[in-house]
Amino acid sequence: NAGVMQNPRHLVRRRGQEARLRCSPMKGHSHVYWYRQLPEEGLKFMVYLQKENIIDESGMPKERFSAEFPKEGPSILRIQQVVRGDSAAYFCASSPASGYSYEQYFGPGTRLTVT
Amino acid sequence: QKEVEQNSGPLSVPEGAIASLNCTYSDRVSQSFFWYRQYSGKSPELIMSIYSNGDKEDGRFTAQLNKASQYVSLLIRDSQPSDSATYLCAVRPPNADGLTFGKGTHLIIQP
Repeated sequence: NAGVMQNPRHLVRRRGQEARLRCSPMKGHSHVYWYRQLPEEGLKFMVYLQKENIIDESGMPKERFSAEFPKEGPSILRIQQVVRGDSAAYFCASSPASGYSYEQYFGPGTRLTVT
Repeated sequence: QKEVEQNSGPLSVPEGAIASLNCTYSDRVSQSFFWYRQYSGKSPELIMSIYSNGDKEDGRFTAQLNKASQYVSLLIRDSQPSDSATYLCAVRPPNADGLTFGKGTHLIIQP
């Protein structure tokens, strides 16, 4: 599968637990973006990463959320002490490089439900 | 705040007709524009990208960009029931890498 991979596809967490979402970019892509889609709302940019670097986290909530993209392995979006308002679809996208002409391709998403 | 506006619909179009989807954006210096299709419960799928004023055609799809009017559109010719989906307009703001999305237009193709 050469596309963007995300796991798990569905994740259920109780309030106060931690959620870890994983994303492996498309083959040949080294740039990863995380987006969140709340029910009845549009996609919102959260964070942009390259290997071992966070480039832009302007859309990331200030508390409880963090992201990383280690030298080896997938990118991880971590949500600590989840609350019901965190229930959403979280999508990862990747591109081969940065710049205005590079397209972003989305993975299947992780649907997080907080009970 | 940079915004991307779309009519939420639903937009109902008979099968075989042309579906016209519109989008306006607020940041005049934006350079990159994208159309994604999203089926219910699925992830966004890239349909078209456009960077220069004018038209860009790909199969049954044509993207149109007018930077002076801050307007981008997507035309779908010979609409099929399988085109029924939500269409998301996305803009890459200048000096940024994250895309700003509109809330999408729900398109229904009636057989």
